[in-house]
Amino acid sequence: GAVVSQHPSWVICKSGTSVKIECRSLDFQATTMFWYRQFPKQSLMLMATSNEGSKATYEQGVEKDKFLINHASLTLSTLTVTSAHPEDSSFYICSAPTTGESEKLFFGSGTQLSVL
Amino acid sequence: QKEVEQDPGPLSVPEGAIVSLNCTYSNSAFQYFMWYRQYSRKGPELLMYTYSSGNKEDGRFTAQVDKSSKYISLFIRDSQPSDSATYLCAMNSGGSNYKLTFGKGTLLTVNP
Repeated sequence: GAVVSQHPSWVICKSGTSVKIECRSLDFQATTMFWYRQFPKQSLMLMATSNEGSKATYEQGVEKDKFLINHASLTLSTLTVTSAHPEDSSFYICSAPTTGESEKLFFGSGTQLSVL
Repeated sequence: QKEVEQDPGPLSVPEGAIVSLNCTYSNSAFQYFMWYRQYSRKGPELLMYTYSSGNKEDGRFTAQVDKSSKYISLFIRDSQPSDSATYLCAMNSGGSNYKLTFGKGTLLTVNP
């Protein structure tokens, strides 16, 4: 299947700092990427849809100023958690759809964020 | 009623058992159905992808969709300890709409 690379796999930061997470589609182009958040033993919660060349679309209840999304190219989307607080600690996962006859959604390996 | 219902388990079976995982849904617009496997602290891995009703087999895995009953299943034959993971069903109405609606996931443990 297609490969989506996510980096870093884990990060620990102090409260008040910002953290950037990268999501890359390695062998295909993605005009759209998705960012999810997952709490322990819970399913994935869609946070926002990242669109190459335009603003991201955020789901209801997600603070766009807190979670900055940039889709810089057809293979890269970034999520920046600004002024992180302990309640932002979570597992963040990106995904990207392939196109063509078989449109499927592939996920990155996830980023565990711990805010102290 | 939630759009997608999935029994969270946990489900514990002996090695070699046949495992049946299920989801029900309420949105009749859903046409694309997926099963993902997620190991702890990892991103979901696409296992099966099906469109509309019917069966699809891939090795030890069989995905079954019954749109009339709004019910999907994943069967795992000859289960292995390496199959121990959380299994998530997901679905959408297809096309350019990639917003997937996920089940909560079922935690499966296969005991050697």
